[in-house]
Amino acid sequence: AQRVTQPEKLLSVFKGAPVELKCNYSYSGSPELFWYVQYSRQRLQLLLRHISRESIKGFTADLNKGETSFHLKKPFAQEEDSAMYYCALSMEYGNKLVFGAGTILRVKS
Amino acid sequence: DTGVSQDPRHKITKRGQNVTFRCDPISEHNRLYWYRQTLGQGPEFLTYFQNEAQLEKSRLLSDRFSAERPKGSFSTLEIQRTEQGDSAMYLCASSQLRQGSSYNSPLHFGNGTRLTVT
Repeated sequence: AQRVTQPEKLLSVFKGAPVELKCNYSYSGSPELFWYVQYSRQRLQLLLRHISRESIKGFTADLNKGETSFHLKKPFAQEEDSAMYYCALSMEYGNKLVFGAGTILRVKS
Repeated sequence: DTGVSQDPRHKITKRGQNVTFRCDPISEHNRLYWYRQTLGQGPEFLTYFQNEAQLEKSRLLSDRFSAERPKGSFSTLEIQRTEQGDSAMYLCASSQLRQGSSYNSPLHFGNGTRLTVT
């Protein structure tokens, strides 16, 4: 079965430190991977989509098919990055996402 | 706000009662999804529509759950004979499948309806 694993429930870093939120997936085909973010009291929103190959708010993520990973990285964390981050997988061109359990990122000043 | 809207935001009901939630998607979106999220978990797929057709239902969607999108616009999710295990956040999302393309636009989520069954 398709599965997305986010091994850390909470990641706490200091402002200005590098951030890496881990995401591993299991799927035998060619998935499409996403990162969604939920800021406090806001709705879930798209942060990154791997096919877009964009950097959003300083975040990047590279799909590593050999390691079945899609880790989210940012070189210098900011306090406004504090949020819940979900990694998600689609097996059908962006349809029907399968989500991981999420990682809370806390950026301390 | 032209995003996805869900109503109500919160619903408290007694076990055994029926509840109905409504979702209004982004107007030009032809796909509509229902997800359920419990504490400490990510959203879990329940079902989705393309226009008015319900194309897939998850095994999570028991016979007590029914979803409709009668005119291809808003959708309702009804839960009959609610159980305490139904307590969760119910999220609606919408997207656009571009004509002539296989690719879905990114899912846009609503704020959700939080259901508490006592």
